[in-house]
Amino acid sequence: GAGVSQSPSNKVTEKGKDVELRCDPISGHTALYWYRQSLGQGLEFLIYFQGNSAPDKSGLPSDRFSAERTGGSVSTLTIQRTQQEDSAVYLCASSPHGPTTDTQYFGPGTRLTVL
Amino acid sequence: TQLLEQSPQFLSIQEGENLTVYCNSSSVFSSLQWYRQEPGEGPVLLVTVVTGGEVKKLKRLTFQFGDARKDSSLHITAAQTGDTGLYLCAGPSLDTGRRALTFGSGTRLQVQP
Repeated sequence: GAGVSQSPSNKVTEKGKDVELRCDPISGHTALYWYRQSLGQGLEFLIYFQGNSAPDKSGLPSDRFSAERTGGSVSTLTIQRTQQEDSAVYLCASSPHGPTTDTQYFGPGTRLTVL
Repeated sequence: TQLLEQSPQFLSIQEGENLTVYCNSSSVFSSLQWYRQEPGEGPVLLVTVVTGGEVKKLKRLTFQFGDARKDSSLHITAAQTGDTGLYLCAGPSLDTGRRALTFGSGTRLQVQP
């Protein structure tokens, strides 16, 4: 596709369950980012990939959160033993190279609701 | 920790009015970006300002980067209902090795017809 896609668009889960969120970046973009956005708020950085490596995962809030990227393309963000405070919109972005002045292209997000 | 503070948090105006939103920090940024986000979508980049004192215009939107590169403003002339959305400023983190953007908490703009 032409843009960043994310799936699912909405996910409702019960507290304690594991969830996987998927991001398909723009083809050829080497950098991929995950952010979290609470209702009506700004974006909180989670993790950054350059290729398949994650030079910066300092934003992951706990060890329940993990992410991987394969083939320099698709990325999966996994949240284990979900808690209600994990409810948020999870946004993925990609950029061509990774320098901070690159334009980041965002997907529409996955809205996660933990009951 | 570098913080970007945006003001106001919420703004509701009538179509045709002018407005300015602000993005302030105590830290110097090498550049600042402005994004607009509409409900159910990801943020979309509007502009990047790089040089202190720089002014960029995008149709009815005027962006300014402070001389000291610690603040930025967005001015909208004759607002339209299509300008409604969440406006976010963002700057590159200066932490070593970190390539992510630091985002402000946003200004939610509602333009009434």
